[in-house]
Formats: sequence, C-alpha cells, structure tokens
Amino acid sequence: EVQLVESGGGLVQPGGSLRLSCAGSGFTFSIYWMHWVRQAPGKGLVWVSLIHPDGSGTDYADSVKGRFTMSRDNAKNTLYLQMNSLRAEDTAVYYCARGLRGTSGFGDYWGQGTLVSVSS
Amino acid sequence: QSALTQPPSASGSPGQSVTISCTGASSDIGRYNYVSWYQQHPGKAPKLIIYDATKRPSGVPDRFSGSKSGNTASLTVSGLQAEDEADYYCSAFGGGNNWLFGGGTKLTVL
Repeated sequence: EVQLVESGGGLVQPGGSLRLSCAGSGFTFSIYWMHWVRQAPGKGLVWVSLIHPDGSGTDYADSVKGRFTMSRDNAKNTLYLQMNSLRAEDTAVYYCARGLRGTSGFGDYWGQGTLVSVSS
Repeated sequence: QSALTQPPSASGSPGQSVTISCTGASSDIGRYNYVSWYQQHPGKAPKLIIYDATKRPSGVPDRFSGSKSGNTASLTVSGLQAEDEADYYCSAFGGGNNWLFGGGTKLTVL
C-alpha cells in the first residue's frame, strides 16, 4: 500500500525556521517526482515546490523562492522541505504529493498533511 | 488571486449533472494538456479524479469526466450523488516547472 506520511509541523515565530519531512512507503520512491502543496486555513490549494526523482533539480513558487529548500534522501525514502524566514502568510497545512508516472502532473497519492503555524 | 479561475460554487440535485469550469491562459491550459482535477472533502487530503485533462485514475467512477477547449478546462459530474458534495480544484502546468491551482469550487448536492 502506498503511503506518504508528513511530520515536522508546529508553531514557529515569524522569521523562524522549520523542516518538514515526508516519508514514503509501498512504492519505489526514487523514481518519482515529488511535490509540496499547501493550504492556508479555509483557503484553496497552492503549489509550493517540486523535486526531480534523483534530487538533481528543484523548482519553487515565487512566494517561497529563496526561503524554502526542497530535498530528498532516496536511501531513506524521505522528502524534506526546509522553510526559513517564515512569515505569517506561510501558515498552512503542508501536503506532500507523488508525481504521476508517464506524464506530468501529481497527486495520485497525498500525505495527510502537517500544520505549520507562524505566529508570535 | 488564483492563476486559474473557477466559480466559487456550483450545485445540483441528486441524479443531475453539473459542470465546473477552470479558465487559464494560452500559456498554461491553452498550451498544455497537463490539467488535473482534485476532489477534497472537509478535513481530508485532496484526491485526484482527472489528469491529462480527460483521463481518470483507476478507481474513479466514470461519472467524473474532464474536457478542455482553448484556455478553459471543465469537470463534469454526472448522476450526482450525496458523496460528491466537496470542494473541487483544477490544476495546470504553467510552464517552466511551475504548477497553478484554481481557487476551488464548492459543490453542493441539493
């Protein structure tokens, strides 16, 4: 059974840092593009970032570029999102999502989400 | 402001059909067939119901169908059922490894 399990969310002050993790199981993690998507409370989905299967390439939404860094450890089947210089507007549930095979797109599997709250 | 435009709400009675639109631009929906639709129930993670504009993942009922014309993609839910009441989001490739979402449409089954 394919599973994605996020962890690492919590309450952090503005300007602080947090690292999210997403552990994958039940599939060959190393051959899939992976994405992060976030959802502010009561709001819609927003794409955050993606990473190449071997970790050689990443891309980010303009709103997080220069502050967030996505990485992966294929030996541990784990995805990461390092979030620095956090702002109140980064408050959201963060989901990791698997990329689709054979085409672009993502989201055939999602994690349960982890809540990040940025507040003083 | 979302890059893709969806109506905030839609509704229909059980058994009826409802169509939700998703309007983008010639640089995203108009250029690529990489349009997806997701269903999200309250407090749950999104679920992929359409990808590549018209394809259904395994296990998604054929009551859900997708189409695309020009800069607009559409999701049609036929034979509405109570469990279809949810939020629906479109997503599209925006070029340059960027992905866009619509603002979401709340579907109410009357």
